Amino acid sequence: SQKIEQNSEALNIQEGKTATLTCNYTNYSPAYLQWYRQDPGRGPVFLLLIRENEKEKRKERLKVTFDTTLKQSLFHITASQPADSATYLCAMTRSASKIIFGSGTRLSIRP
Amino acid sequence: GAVVSQHPSWVICKSGTSVKIECRSLDFQATTMFWYRQFPKQSLMLMATSNEGSKATYEQGVEKDKFLINHASLTLSTLTVTSAHPEDSSFYICSGVRGGSDEQYFGPGTRLTVT
Repeated sequence: SQKIEQNSEALNIQEGKTATLTCNYTNYSPAYLQWYRQDPGRGPVFLLLIRENEKEKRKERLKVTFDTTLKQSLFHITASQPADSATYLCAMTRSASKIIFGSGTRLSIRP
Repeated sequence: GAVVSQHPSWVICKSGTSVKIECRSLDFQATTMFWYRQFPKQSLMLMATSNEGSKATYEQGVEKDKFLINHASLTLSTLTVTSAHPEDSSFYICSGVRGGSDEQYFGPGTRLTVT
């Protein structure tokens, strides 16, 4: 069955360092990979979308890569800040319907 | 733009009663809306897809007679949990897709607690 895995349930890093989150998928060929931020008790907030024919996408301090050979996406936050602490979800989809979400990585940035 | 609201943000109800949750797209017309459920420390699980003016499509394992979905307009979808039981307690999140777009815009979620 289609599966998307975020290999770290939790990640703690020092402020100012780069946080790198990993997302792997199996039994699927997504047209898009998306990353969302979710704060406790809130709905997900869209951050970045990367298409299967794109290798990398950036937005301010965020960078996403998509490797269809490895079936993997990496999500980087550079110059991390305590305000970046949240749960980050990766999700895959072939169209605007049926997003399959990973279980999330809870990121904590310590001052 | 692309704001989705949900009402109520939290609700407590007694076992056996029904609860209605509203999902509204405030500044765009959502041709498709989705309903998700999220249990603590778990990911979002898609429950159903609703298109305006047609019947919702439910995911495997989701009881359509228990979770009634109505998408009467391009800006409003409702989820009614009928005869709620404590195991229905969860965080319910909706999302909307703007016509011609690939992005889903999520609501803030509704925390349902059934006692």
